[in-house]
Parts: sequence; C-alpha cells; structure tokens
Amino acid sequence: DTAVSQTPKYLVTQMGNDKSIKCEQNLGHDTMYWYKQDSKKFLKIMFSYNNKELIINETVPNRFSPKSPDKAHLNLHINSLELGDSAVYFCASSTRGLNTEAFFGQGTRLTVV
Amino acid sequence: GEDVEQSLFLSVREGDSSVINCTYTDSSSTYLYWYKQEPGAGLQLLTYIFSNMDMKQDQRLTVLLNKKDKHLSLRIADTQTGDSAIYFCAEGFSGGYQKVTFGIGTKLQVIP
Repeated sequence: DTAVSQTPKYLVTQMGNDKSIKCEQNLGHDTMYWYKQDSKKFLKIMFSYNNKELIINETVPNRFSPKSPDKAHLNLHINSLELGDSAVYFCASSTRGLNTEAFFGQGTRLTVV
Repeated sequence: GEDVEQSLFLSVREGDSSVINCTYTDSSSTYLYWYKQEPGAGLQLLTYIFSNMDMKQDQRLTVLLNKKDKHLSLRIADTQTGDSAIYFCAEGFSGGYQKVTFGIGTKLQVIP
C-alpha cells in the first residue's frame, strides 16, 4: 500500500492556467508538507499543516494555496501558472516532532509551457 | 540564517567506502538528517542524528557530526551499485514541528 500518494505524477500545462495537485497519506500522521524541488535539485519547504491547521508558510507567491480538507489530505492549488513554477513538487507527512521520519510521495513533475 | 551546503557529485568504485560531506550554518538546529532520493522517487530517510551526538552508526552507515565546525558527514561502507542516488543533508529546528532545511543534494555514482 502506498503510504503517501500524489496525483498526478506528471502535469503539463500552459502559462496562466490554474491547476491542483492532490496528496493523501494513509499513515495516520497529523502533519503534512509540500516541498518544491527545482531543476537544480534544491528542495525547499513551502507549507506545513498539522491537523488541518497551517503551521509553516514559507515565502511562497499567493498564487499557491494549500487546502487540507482533513488531516489525511493536503492539496496544492496553483493559480495563474508561470514558467518558473516548473518543478517537482513533493508531498510528505510525519507525526509531530523532529525525531520522526517524514515520508515523501513520489513527486509531481509540473511543466509549464 | 539557514543554509546547508553539499558537494554536487561523488563517484566511487563498488566495494569502496563513500563519504558525503555537508556543512550547515544554523547552530540552533536540533536534528540533522540524511535522505536518499532514487531516480523518479521521493525522498527516503536514511538516518538522523541529534545535535548533541558526535556519531551514529547504523549497519553500513556512519554519521559523524562536528558541531563546532558545523560539519556533518555520511560514510557508506562497502558501497553497492544500489547506493547510487542523490543524498540530501538536512537540518531540523526545534519547535515541535518538522521544519527541515535541505541541502542541494550530492549525486553518488557507484561504478561497478
């Protein structure tokens, strides 16, 4: 069984469009994250939710809006897509605390053309 | 500020030891992690070390932490072709929630 699953795996879209990436975890974790990995493999946290509450919100354009309908889901909606949004987006989940493992999804490769 | 640096590339022969190095700038980090990313896959936690430890060993993996120099290393003994991947060093900060800052990743190539 997949622990953290993201859909879609690949997403190609035109500039200006609005798109969503979905993430679900079946591990019973209470904290979920979105990370962005750019073309140089640099991985940076974007958002973190704990029990549906936003706890980490790094400097990310307002066009990015996370939504957590319940603690097993954290979706990422992106408005007015730009070329610079092209990257691999990773969802992850963990229990609360630093000494716990974060489980990552396989990533969604977003290409904006 | 938070900054984690790693060399980009390392090539070793199968059976040799690999040492991947990392430096970080924020001395307030609580945990330091090593993650592995295989092609087309998400990140997988390999090991982590609490910031008041100097060393941690886990089978073929040895993590060394020099807190004074803010230097972390991962040694993989008897490196195998299956170890070929990108290895990310990361530091985590206290506060209860796992805010983790990643390095850029070191690509390890194991030559048969």
